[in-house]
Amino acid sequence: SQQGEEDPQALSIQEGENATMNCSYKTSINNLQWYRQNSGRGLVHLILIRSNEREKHSGRLRVTLDTSKKSSSLLITASRAADTASYFCATGGGSYIPTFGRGTSLIVHP
Amino acid sequence: ETGVTQTPRHLVMGMTNKKSLKCEQHLGHNAMYWYKQSAKKPLELMFVYSLEERVENNSVPSRFSPECPNSSHLFLHLHTLQPEDSALYLCASSQDLRQGYEQYFGPGTRLTVT
Repeated sequence: SQQGEEDPQALSIQEGENATMNCSYKTSINNLQWYRQNSGRGLVHLILIRSNEREKHSGRLRVTLDTSKKSSSLLITASRAADTASYFCATGGGSYIPTFGRGTSLIVHP
Repeated sequence: ETGVTQTPRHLVMGMTNKKSLKCEQHLGHNAMYWYKQSAKKPLELMFVYSLEERVENNSVPSRFSPECPNSSHLFLHLHTLQPEDSALYLCASSQDLRQGYEQYFGPGTRLTVT
């Protein structure tokens, strides 16, 4: 299965700390996307990284991709209570449909 | 707001009822999707439409029936559902089906089957 799997399943930190979550997948990909979902709401696209890229930044977000290890990480720096949400990776490979994992639930305590 | 709206936001229905979920996108996108999200499970892709043609149907039971009358609207018709069908149903759209285009999600319909 090409489905990404996020790790850890849950993460609890204090405001101001950095949050790191990981995504592993099994087959080759063309790109990997990260999404955020606030409780009971739809997903919001955060960032896309292509297979020929190793690192990408967007504001307080930093995404890395290691295709040799078939893994990606999402780093949120200087976290805020508003970052509390679930974070999903979605892998894009031969199929045009991104495949989502179960997500990492992040809680940022004020 | 993502430009994708879903109605109703909450729905409670009995197993013998017939209801429909509606999704509308105001983004001029060509592809639309239905997903099912159950607790502690990956997001499950149900149906994909491109330019009003169904291009994917992931072994979804026939009690779920999609309809895409035009590229801006997507419906999910429900009948004789089971309690295990209770979930958050998410609609999404993307510019088209080629890889690399992000998906824009609606807020979802929370469905409870009693």
